[in-house]
Amino acid sequence: DAGVIQSPRHEVTEMGQEVTLRCKPISGHNSLFWYRQTMMRGLELLIYFNNNVPIDDSGMPEDRFSAKMPNASFSTLKIQPSEPRDSAVYFCASSKQGLTEAFFGQGTRLTVV
Amino acid sequence: AQKITQTQPGMFVQEKEAVTLDCTYDTSDPSYGLFWYKQPSSGEMIFLIYQGSYDQQNATEGRYSLNFQKARKSANLVISASQLGDSAMYFCAMREGNQGGKLIFGQGTELSVKP
Repeated sequence: DAGVIQSPRHEVTEMGQEVTLRCKPISGHNSLFWYRQTMMRGLELLIYFNNNVPIDDSGMPEDRFSAKMPNASFSTLKIQPSEPRDSAVYFCASSKQGLTEAFFGQGTRLTVV
Repeated sequence: AQKITQTQPGMFVQEKEAVTLDCTYDTSDPSYGLFWYKQPSSGEMIFLIYQGSYDQQNATEGRYSLNFQKARKSANLVISASQLGDSAMYFCAMREGNQGGKLIFGQGTELSVKP
C-alpha cells in the first residue's frame, strides 16, 4: 500500500492567496483527519470525516479554512485568503473507523509570506 | 471533555537504559483507545503502540510497552534498552468511541538519548 499521500510537500505563497492542500487516504480507510502542527500550539485537530461526512470541524480556526471530502479517496483543505500565521505543517491521516490507529501522510509544509 | 496531557516537555536518557514517558488522559466515555506516536526530526508520524480501554493486559510491541493504569487515567510509554535512534518527539493520543472516533494528541515529549 502506498500509504497516505499528501500534496504538495512544500508550499510557499503570498499573503492573501488561496492555498489548497490535498490528501489521498489509504484505500479501505473510512476516517480521515486533518491536523496542523506548530511549535506554539502542537498538533491540533482541525476537522475529521467518517465515510466522507464531516463529523467535527470545531478545530477549524476560522472561516478562511474549509475542508471537503467529495469521495472516499480524496480530501482537500483550503485556506482563503492565507495569512502568515497560517504557516505550519499540515498533516492528513486516515484510519479504519473505530478505535484503531491512524496512519499519517508526510505532511505539507506551508509558508505564507 | 476529551483531554490528553503530557507534562514532560523534554527527557534525557542514557543509551541502553529504560525510560518512561508520562501521559494522562480524561474522558467520560467507557470505550476509548490510547496510542503513542514517534516523530523523528525528519517529521513523519510513526505509530508505535495501542491500548484499548477494555484490554486487561498492558500492550507491548518490541522494546515499547504501555503502562496502562485505568483508575489513575494514565498510559505511560516505557522504552527499554534505549537506542540513539529513539531520539525524537513522542506523542500520546486518545480516540473516543462515542465521538465517532475523534483522535486528539497531547503536547508531546522530546526524548534525547545520550551515548
